[in-house]
Amino acid sequence: QQKVQQSPESLIVPEGGMASLNCTSSDRNVDYFWWYRQHSGKSPKMLMSIFSNGEKEEGRFTVHLNKASLHTSLHIRDSQPSDSALYLCAARANSAGNKLTFGIGTRVLVRP
Amino acid sequence: DSGVVQSPRHIIKEKGGRSVLTCIPISGHSNVVWYQQTLGKELKFLIQHYEKVERDKGFLPSRFSVQQFDDYHSEMNMSALELEDSAMYFCASSSGFSDYTFGSGTRLLVI
Repeated sequence: QQKVQQSPESLIVPEGGMASLNCTSSDRNVDYFWWYRQHSGKSPKMLMSIFSNGEKEEGRFTVHLNKASLHTSLHIRDSQPSDSALYLCAARANSAGNKLTFGIGTRVLVRP
Repeated sequence: DSGVVQSPRHIIKEKGGRSVLTCIPISGHSNVVWYQQTLGKELKFLIQHYEKVERDKGFLPSRFSVQQFDDYHSEMNMSALELEDSAMYFCASSSGFSDYTFGSGTRLLVI
């Protein structure tokens, strides 16, 4: 059973600061990672996906992937109070069709 | 709204009862998955259908069944409800192996 581990469990960031979130899979067959954001009482919304080694940037969000270690990280710069949410990492194993396995998430609070 | 539509939004059932949750995917999306989310726990994969065929089954209890219809909408039939079935149930759809879009979820409370 694939496991997706996220750290830290929670994070407090000052407004305008940088938030860094981590995610690792235990399944060597994982070929794709997603980052979703879930505001309280809402459904998960996709932020970014990555499948190649290296870095991908979209606006204030940057995702890194190291395929050798099956580790991905999400960095949010210039954090805003609206970024306060649960951030979920999901991984897909290339043997598992399009089934995503989610981590428990990192709860981010941005303090004004 | 062209997103994934789930109904009902909220439902309260007595223990031992039955319920039906419905998911209408984005037009053209034939890949539908169901997840369960309880407070403090990860999204738990329940089942996936692709082109009306069950593709993968995860933690779906035997008391639940899911069907995907010709128009790709999906229904989850839940019977003999237990207190621990209380949770948010999300469905999500995608076109093939593309990114998933989640519906707003159904909050089920079993009392």
